[in-house]
Amino acid sequence: AQSVAQPEDQVNVAEGNPLTVKCTYSVSGNPYLFWYVQYPNRGLQFLLKYITGDNLVKGSYGFEAEFNKSQTSFHLKKPSALVSDSALYFCAVSLSFAGNMLTFGGGTRLMVKP
Amino acid sequence: DGGITQSPKYLFRKEGQNVTLSCEQNLNHDAMYWYRQDPGQGLRLIYYSQIVNDFQKGDIAEGYSVSREKKESFPLTVTSAQKNPTAFYLCASSIVGETYQPQHFGDGTRLSIL
Repeated sequence: AQSVAQPEDQVNVAEGNPLTVKCTYSVSGNPYLFWYVQYPNRGLQFLLKYITGDNLVKGSYGFEAEFNKSQTSFHLKKPSALVSDSALYFCAVSLSFAGNMLTFGGGTRLMVKP
Repeated sequence: DGGITQSPKYLFRKEGQNVTLSCEQNLNHDAMYWYRQDPGQGLRLIYYSQIVNDFQKGDIAEGYSVSREKKESFPLTVTSAQKNPTAFYLCASSIVGETYQPQHFGDGTRLSIL
């Protein structure tokens, strides 16, 4: 069975500093990896995905993520955090043979302080 | 603009009552999904459908029912058998067959017990 872990319930960072939101996964095949963001009382918005190729993936709003196969990780990063980045972030994984079925991590709340 | 519309935004259920949450999409997606979101638990899959008139149980289907009579619509009924229905419910849709395509989400319905 596939699973996703987001080891931090909350990440605090000062505005202008770099941020990292961690994600590790466990699958028995080639993973497709996704990051989504959720603002209060809203649905999830797609940020970026890793399918194959370059391990560094760039997405919306200046976010990027690095796929590390040996460490089974897909950490979300941004060089300079904004207060408006404060939200709930979800990592998700699907398998190439499993259709579009996603398994989500528990979410990490990002708090960016001015 | 194409998207997913969930209604109502807030819903209250009395004891012993069934309630139905609406989900409509105009993205021409074949697959639709219902998730339940509880604080700190991420998203859990209730039901999904990959084609009209067919649907499958997800991880937490007990106490819920769905129908898929039209491609655009995938309503979820929370029955009286669901003893803890208070949660945020999210509907999503996606293309079938291209597993690297992200799911698109509505803005959710928050269900509470009176």
